[in-house]
Amino acid sequence: SQQGEEDPQALSIQEGENATMNCSYKTSINNLQWYRQNSGRGLVHLILIRSNEREKHSGRLRVTLDTSKKSSSLLITASRAADTASYFCATGPLAGGTSYGKLTFGQGTILTVHP
Amino acid sequence: KAGVTQTPRYLIKTRGQQVTLSCSPISGHRSVSWYQQTPGQGLQFLFEYFSETQRNKGNFPGRFSGRQFSNSRSEMNVSTLELGDSALYLCASSTGQGAILVETQYFGPGTRLLVL
Repeated sequence: SQQGEEDPQALSIQEGENATMNCSYKTSINNLQWYRQNSGRGLVHLILIRSNEREKHSGRLRVTLDTSKKSSSLLITASRAADTASYFCATGPLAGGTSYGKLTFGQGTILTVHP
Repeated sequence: KAGVTQTPRYLIKTRGQQVTLSCSPISGHRSVSWYQQTPGQGLQFLFEYFSETQRNKGNFPGRFSGRQFSNSRSEMNVSTLELGDSALYLCASSTGQGAILVETQYFGPGTRLLVL
């Protein structure tokens, strides 16, 4: 079963605009990760934020995490046509359990950036 | 370092057959996780191997199995294929060490399986 929901399911913007995607999850986590997938190919890791972090930046990406609301957001600034892809959030379980190697993914947001 | 590789990239099988997919992790990574991706169910965790041992298994029938070799390469096998097994199968590698259960996972390009 999926850990959470992503919102919106699809997002269409123009080049140069910012894109914001949201992710909610259900259980306590150790970390939350964002991945990009181009047209049914492999997933590319974008950023990992730990449960004790509130915000993280990487290039044009900004990720926030609110563990009290069990939610995260991914902001892509100054988007480009090459950013067109599906974006997934995935949660890593708390340490001390037995869920080794298991990321739990959301359903994803399909982002289309028009030139 | 070379990335995660998966072979074959595409596969067409008929119902009742079996299939074996292969995954070579990033050099030095000892954990390999497998996922199934379908339009209806999204990304679902199959199992994880570390040092030739299965440490975790998802909610899939026993027809889905896997193994890991001493060089950390992993294979997954699906026996008695069903139409619903058509999917993109992704493997991911990570170091797998330490107290954190899941660190960053690096994914391969996937194997697209079509069952007719």
